[in-house]
Amino acid sequence: GQQVMQIPQYQHVQEGEDFTTYCNSSTTLSNIQWYKQRPGGHPVFLIQLVKSGEVKKQKRLTFQFGEAKKNSSLHITATQTTDVGTYFCAGGKYGQNFVFGPGTRLSVLP
Amino acid sequence: NAGVTQTPKFRVLKTGQSMTLLCAQDMNHEYMYWYRQDPGMGLRLIHYSVGEGTTAKGEVPDGYNVSRLKKQNFLLGLESAAPSQTSVYFCASTNRRDTQYFGPGTRLTVL
Repeated sequence: GQQVMQIPQYQHVQEGEDFTTYCNSSTTLSNIQWYKQRPGGHPVFLIQLVKSGEVKKQKRLTFQFGEAKKNSSLHITATQTTDVGTYFCAGGKYGQNFVFGPGTRLSVLP
Repeated sequence: NAGVTQTPKFRVLKTGQSMTLLCAQDMNHEYMYWYRQDPGMGLRLIHYSVGEGTTAKGEVPDGYNVSRLKKQNFLLGLESAAPSQTSVYFCASTNRRDTQYFGPGTRLTVL
């Protein structure tokens, strides 16, 4: 079955440093979603990417979908303490449920 | 507009006890999901529903049952709880397998 992996599992950064998490699927995807879960909270939708090579930005967050539609990345520029949490990617295929990756837990040291 | 709500928020069970988790959404969504979240394993799909009166198995359905008698409600049942079912349970809803809206979660401990 479809597998979605994420690296790294954990990332500790100093406030102001950049952060990147990578998402890799074992199969070609139709779309990919990213969610953020704050400590003790629930996952909250951030963005969906659909097109090959697509790049979307949300303020300091940049999301990219690979050309082969099998990988994606989330890059945060100049992290802030409000960025703390776990970032999940979810790979989608037409007619099938999304499969979530295990997440990357980000901690930001002030 | 409450979005997705879950009850209860916390529960402690003894092995062999049963319980039902309730998920309710007021967004008129067709699709509803139950996930469990365990450390380092992300969100795993237990059961899902594509509309009122329908249910289907997800990735980890064993030991759980579900019902969707009303469009806005999705119930998750544990008939005989086991310690391996200690987890945080999230309900989510969406239309057209699009953006999923998650509830606040239920933290379940089985002793």
